[in-house]
Amino acid sequence: DAGVIQSPRHEVTEMGQEVTLRCKPISGHNSLFWYRQTMMRGLELLIYFNNNVPIDDSGMPEDRFSAKMPNASFSTLKIQPSEPRDSAVYFCASSPTGINYGYTFGSGTRLTVV
Amino acid sequence: KNEVEQSPQNLTAQEGEFITINCSYSVGISALHWLQQHPGGGIVSLFMLSSGKKKHGRLIATINIQEKHSSLHITASHPRDSAVYICAAKALYGGSQGNLIFGKGTKLSVKP
Repeated sequence: DAGVIQSPRHEVTEMGQEVTLRCKPISGHNSLFWYRQTMMRGLELLIYFNNNVPIDDSGMPEDRFSAKMPNASFSTLKIQPSEPRDSAVYFCASSPTGINYGYTFGSGTRLTVV
Repeated sequence: KNEVEQSPQNLTAQEGEFITINCSYSVGISALHWLQQHPGGGIVSLFMLSSGKKKHGRLIATINIQEKHSSLHITASHPRDSAVYICAAKALYGGSQGNLIFGKGTKLSVKP
């Protein structure tokens, strides 16, 4: 298994542009998480899907952020319009459903908004 | 007060030393995770435990559910162990029952 696959690995964009981050979870994992990591705040949950349905999006900073999971093998996190304060590393993680299963993290996307 | 607290924040050790990183949590949990993040940025899950102790190579993780405390130990530390170690609690209650609540991390540097 190739693990959780995120793309792109690095993204540099200008303020105001739309940014789309992509994630392919491990096949068979029912839960998918988008996290953001910054120096100031550490790792924070943005949104959590279970069986492709958003369960908790309370961590999504504002309306500029949106996430979709159209099927079990693909999710996107979109920022429109992007701002310099969105610069961070964005991680996707997946897990089988249930309390006894661990998480697998993707390699992350380092986003820089200039 | 954070729901998951780690100590110390930074730790410098000499190669070969025994290392302990502590994690305390205040929420009800179904499991506790220890994660490792190397300077390159990738996050690796080291352990997930809900009771007792787990061992993998030179790494040992323990948890005391009554005291809401977990420790990560590294025996015979090596410079390649240098990384940030993150404790994360899997919440038992609340809206994000699948979610992890992260500690701020412990930055470990092992000198040769």
